[in-house]
Amino acid sequence: AQTVTQSQPEMSVQEAETVTLSCTYDTSESNYYLFWYKQPPSRQMILVIRQEAYKQQNATENRFSVNFQKAAKSFSLKISDSQLGDTAMYFCAFMKHDNTDKLIFGTGTRLQVFP
Amino acid sequence: ETGVTQSPTHLIKTRGQQVTLRCSSQSGHNTVSWYQQALGQGPQFIFQYYREEENGRGNFPPRFSGLQFPNYSSELNVNALELDDSALYLCASSRNRDRGNTEAFFGQGTRLTVV
Repeated sequence: AQTVTQSQPEMSVQEAETVTLSCTYDTSESNYYLFWYKQPPSRQMILVIRQEAYKQQNATENRFSVNFQKAAKSFSLKISDSQLGDTAMYFCAFMKHDNTDKLIFGTGTRLQVFP
Repeated sequence: ETGVTQSPTHLIKTRGQQVTLRCSSQSGHNTVSWYQQALGQGPQFIFQYYREEENGRGNFPPRFSGLQFPNYSSELNVNALELDDSALYLCASSRNRDRGNTEAFFGQGTRLTVV
């Protein structure tokens, strides 16, 4: 069975600074996807960034980038130039490459961005 | 705006009652997944529906059941409600995996409280 672990329950960062959220996972699969989702107080899960395991290049989306270490089963999210609107819960998620879109989530990291 | 809508937004039920939650998938999506998010936890996969058939189920008892309609909207039914069923229920829609799309779009959830 796959598991996803987020060891940082809470993080804080000053506006315009950089912050890194950690995620590790456990799987015996070789082909899978990893995601970071943001859940603001509105409760709606919003996809931040996605990484295919077969791609060695780290994914980037504007201010968001990941450090994907497949051998170490590590998938951290770096947020550059943090903005007040980045304040939210962040969930790391794993998806096996099969015929379902089942996401396995970590317990989340609450990020607070201070002015 | 993702286009996935859930109703109702909030609901209070008594232990032992039955509840039906509804989800309208985003236009063009034929797959709907349901997740249960307990307070302070990451979402847990309940089940998925693809073209009106159940296509994968998580570790939830049979009193959690679902339906998908020809227009790809979906219902989640929970019988014999227990206090531990109190949670945020999230619906996510996506396109057929065979088309290579792995992005799930989430609704804002239904907050269910069982008293």
